[in-house]
Amino acid sequence: EVQLVESGGGLVKPGGSLRLSCAASGFTFSSYSMNWVRQAPGKGLEWVSSISSSSSYIYYADSVKGRFTISRDNAKNSLYLQMNSLRAEDTAVYYCARAPSGGDYGMDVWGQGTTVTVSS
Amino acid sequence: SYELTQPLSVSVALGQTARITCGGNNIGSKNVHWYQQKPGQAPVLVIYRDSNRPSGIPERFSGSNSGNTATLTISRAQAGDEADYYCQVWDSSTAVVFGGGTKLTVL
Repeated sequence: EVQLVESGGGLVKPGGSLRLSCAASGFTFSSYSMNWVRQAPGKGLEWVSSISSSSSYIYYADSVKGRFTISRDNAKNSLYLQMNSLRAEDTAVYYCARAPSGGDYGMDVWGQGTTVTVSS
Repeated sequence: SYELTQPLSVSVALGQTARITCGGNNIGSKNVHWYQQKPGQAPVLVIYRDSNRPSGIPERFSGSNSGNTATLTISRAQAGDEADYYCQVWDSSTAVVFGGGTKLTVL
């Protein structure tokens, strides 16, 4: 079964750091671009970051550029999001999502999400 | 930066056809993808590359894209189609862009 499972969410104080992980199974992880997408409470989807299959291409939303770092370990079938200098507005459910053909076919598999709460 | 505009809400009578629009500058030149999200659940891809349905998505879901507007059409709407719907594109200046989302209500 194709599956993505996020972990690492939690409560963190403003200015703090958190590292999210996304474990992939049931498909050849190294062949796919991956994304992080977040959703603040009661709000719409917001794209956070993308990484190509071999990590050659990395993109960030302006709202997180310079604070968040996306990475992957194809040997471990895992995607990561290092989040530094966290702000209240980063509070959201964070989803990892698979993107076939670099995103030309949308994001076809999503994890269940992990919740990040930034509060003092 | 590239922006996508969706209506906040659309209502449709049970069994009728719902149309959800997604506006963007020359969006017809881009590949548009559509997602359905029900409360408390992760999004699900329902249309990719303007008009293609992933495996398992009912034929009642269809899409089109031309000019400055892409449209998701849901025929014979069912109660189970009530959800938020998001359009998404890739833009060279903004990378991934999502529309603001449309809440579909089936009356």
